[in-house]
Amino acid sequence: SQQGEEDPQALSIQEGENATMNCSYKTSINNLQWYRQNSGRGLVHLILIRSNEREKHSGRLRVTLDTSKKSSSLLITASRAADTASYFCATDSGGTGGFKTIFGAGTRLFVKA
Amino acid sequence: GAVVSQHPSWVICKSGTSVKIECRSLDFQATTMFWYRQFPKQSLMLMATSNEGSKATYEQGVEKDKFLINHASLTLSTLTVTSAHPEDSSFYICSARVKRKYQETQYFGPGTRLLVL
Repeated sequence: SQQGEEDPQALSIQEGENATMNCSYKTSINNLQWYRQNSGRGLVHLILIRSNEREKHSGRLRVTLDTSKKSSSLLITASRAADTASYFCATDSGGTGGFKTIFGAGTRLFVKA
Repeated sequence: GAVVSQHPSWVICKSGTSVKIECRSLDFQATTMFWYRQFPKQSLMLMATSNEGSKATYEQGVEKDKFLINHASLTLSTLTVTSAHPEDSSFYICSARVKRKYQETQYFGPGTRLLVL
């Protein structure tokens, strides 16, 4: 499969709690990105972390990257009902032969008000 | 920010007909465009990579005669689903890649929902 794995597949939490989603991938990467998608809608880019970075923050989002384990995590702190969506990691890889962005299976997050 | 548009945003067609979906980069020239397909409650699957003026590169398992890709200019790529069948019903998303200041950035379109009856 071209996709990486994400866990959990689905996550249900209370508003105010933190949500952690994990992503594993298979090949060497240039960078890794996280996207959000509301049901039936397009993608919203959340954050990009480069292969030489280990951690990055953006507002309530915290992303880590462990290239030795080929894994990344997305932490959403103090979750809100509006955070309910599907979250996908996507890895960029390739070189002169061409770049590709491959998506993970995604985590469906449901935040209960 | 950079914008990628898709047209139409949704389409319903009869089985056996062909459907063309356009992907445009509105304010930049894209070095490469990509086509993805997403089934309900699933992730995006890369179908093909398209470079302007050359043949598309299809991912394993994607029928190139079924999904025709034309990349006529640096701002337009089209995906034609030929002889569509109900199993082709899906959400099709394009993306466009541009190189700015030694960095490659990818922008996604809003998607086209196809329903084949």
